[in-house]
Amino acid sequence: EPEVTQTPSHQVTQMGQEVILRCVPISNHLYFYWYRQILGQKVEFLVSFYNNEISEKSEIFDDQFSVERPDGSNFTLKIRSTKLEDSAMYFCASLPGAMNTEAFFGQGTRLTVV
Amino acid sequence: SQQGEEDPQALSIQEGENATMNCSYKTSINNLQWYRQNSGRGLVHLILIRSNEREKHSGRLRVTLDTSKKSSSLLITASRAADTASYFCATRKETSGSRLTFGEGTQLTVNP
Repeated sequence: EPEVTQTPSHQVTQMGQEVILRCVPISNHLYFYWYRQILGQKVEFLVSFYNNEISEKSEIFDDQFSVERPDGSNFTLKIRSTKLEDSAMYFCASLPGAMNTEAFFGQGTRLTVV
Repeated sequence: SQQGEEDPQALSIQEGENATMNCSYKTSINNLQWYRQNSGRGLVHLILIRSNEREKHSGRLRVTLDTSKKSSSLLITASRAADTASYFCATRKETSGSRLTFGEGTQLTVNP
């Protein structure tokens, strides 16, 4: 069964450092998303990506964040200068395109900023 | 209050009992989905119900949707210890490709 894969599964970084979280969505899917979940809290939307550009972003997704789909398969989330409060589980998801279908989520990357 | 709120926040039952979790939302939706999350792990899709559907079944899961009340419920019948997890509802608006908005989640504990 096709799946969304995320790497690394866990990343520890120093405050102020840049991190890149990687995702390989399901091929032939059209919409790509990043969500995050701070420990013990609900899952929050960060950004959606369609047709090689950001289609929607939340207030959380400020100038410190950027996304790319550099080679048609990988989908990356970059945090330029990490803060302690960026510590969270980051989930990538992809969607085939049809409205009434499930979003397929990766297993997540746990980011710890120290 | 926010889109996609579940209640109860926590539910503890004995194996074999049924577990019911509720979700309320505020805006009009295209569909509502339920996800499960084991502690610290990824999100597993359970079931999707469209706005024009009222009830859906999948194995031991039963989901209802009442768009007039903007609420949904997830029933897990004959629960097992392995059902212990957090359960989230998530709504999708009618715009194509739009985000999922998640609720706060219900932590279900099934005691053996």
